[in-house]
Amino acid sequence: AQTVTQSQPEMSVQEAETVTLSCTYDTSESDYYLFWYKQPPSRQMILVIRQEAYKQQNATENRFSVNFQKAAKSFSLKISDSQLGDAAMYFCAYRTNRDDKIIFGKGTRLHILP
Amino acid sequence: NAGVMQNPRHLVRRRGQEARLRCSPMKGHSHVYWYRQLPEEGLKFMVYLQKENIIDESGMPKERFSAEFPKEGPSILRIQQVVRGDSAAYFCASSPDRVYGYTFGSGTRLTVV
Repeated sequence: AQTVTQSQPEMSVQEAETVTLSCTYDTSESDYYLFWYKQPPSRQMILVIRQEAYKQQNATENRFSVNFQKAAKSFSLKISDSQLGDAAMYFCAYRTNRDDKIIFGKGTRLHILP
Repeated sequence: NAGVMQNPRHLVRRRGQEARLRCSPMKGHSHVYWYRQLPEEGLKFMVYLQKENIIDESGMPKERFSAEFPKEGPSILRIQQVVRGDSAAYFCASSPDRVYGYTFGSGTRLTVV
């Protein structure tokens, strides 16, 4: 079965510091996509970053970058120069190329300390 | 482009009533997905529809739940005879095709009292 595990229910980071959120997944597929979504208190699901499994290069979007370790089935999110607006639930998610449903982890609640 | 529009934003129903949740996909998007989020949980897939067709309903309970995406108008998720356990946030997402990523709506929070 395909699963996504986020082992950190909550994390805190000082404003302007760097934080890394962990995610591991289990799959027997070779072709798939990985995502990090942000859910602020407004409840809107916002795509932060996306990684295709066939790409070796780690995806980067401004202050957000990932460390994709395919052999270890690990997909962590690094947020640099944390800002108060980064406070939210962060969900790691997975989708195969064959399927249409996205499988989500249970989330990590990130607090930004001023 | 207004994005994926869901309404109502909040819905309160008494046990036994029907809940109807609406989703208007982004312009040009013909693929619609429904997800449910229980408190402090991630989103769980319910159903995937294209215009007038249900493609995958493997995540939707067999009883009381139904979904449609008619040729004209929004996609509707319908829950009959609601129970307390149906209380959750229901999200709709749309995409222009299978390969492109989803865009999510802001969700409908259903509370059953």
